Amino acid sequence: SAVISQKPSRDICQRGTSLTIQCQVDSQVTMMFWYRQQPGQSLTLIATANQGSEATYESGFVIDKFPISRPNLTFSTLTVSNMSPEDSSIYLCSVESQWGPSGGYQETQYFGPGTRLLVL
Amino acid sequence: AQKITQTQPGMFVQEKEAVTLDCTYDTSDQSYGLFWYKQPSSGEMIFLIYQGSYDEQNATEGRYSLNFQKARKSANLVISASQLGDSAMYFCAMREVWSNQGGKLIFGQGTELSVKP
Repeated sequence: SAVISQKPSRDICQRGTSLTIQCQVDSQVTMMFWYRQQPGQSLTLIATANQGSEATYESGFVIDKFPISRPNLTFSTLTVSNMSPEDSSIYLCSVESQWGPSGGYQETQYFGPGTRLLVL
Repeated sequence: AQKITQTQPGMFVQEKEAVTLDCTYDTSDQSYGLFWYKQPSSGEMIFLIYQGSYDEQNATEGRYSLNFQKARKSANLVISASQLGDSAMYFCAMREVWSNQGGKLIFGQGTELSVKP
């Protein structure tokens, strides 16, 4: 199974500032995904990040607000720009894997521990 | 369009009893995957179990099993012998295998499970 780490784990930011969230995977993966979970809500995909190409954004999310970098096959960053209190959420990155938790072949998608962001 | 529905916002279960969390889905694709995740208060998303649309047998992982009824488009999660540590939010999610959207997961609204001692 893939092991994913995120930095920072949490942050409190002032409105109008930007925060960059890092996601590191312990193995090479083709696609990485960034999700947002607003308070009390489910997860919504922000964008898909492929190495060597521009990220693909979902409806309602734009590159100017959520720029993404994917410099190699194990790392990605998501920046939340010009933040407002509405951006207060948990941001999670995830990767696909063909190996299940027990090590056998199983399609799955693993998530990082998340970044809790509070914008004041 | 894909859609996942979890109709139980909250559930209670007595410790050591079994509980079923409901999930129905809607897709026009023939090939898809269904996932269940657990999210404790810490916020992390913990993968529990996966069922492929062409898998003939219901998936099982330890105390977790997935009751997959393809004709009804339901993928209920069964947790046997509930433990206090099972108290968390549970999300059902779906992925269309051959979609040009890659590995995008669509999530349900979640069910909050509380295990009583």
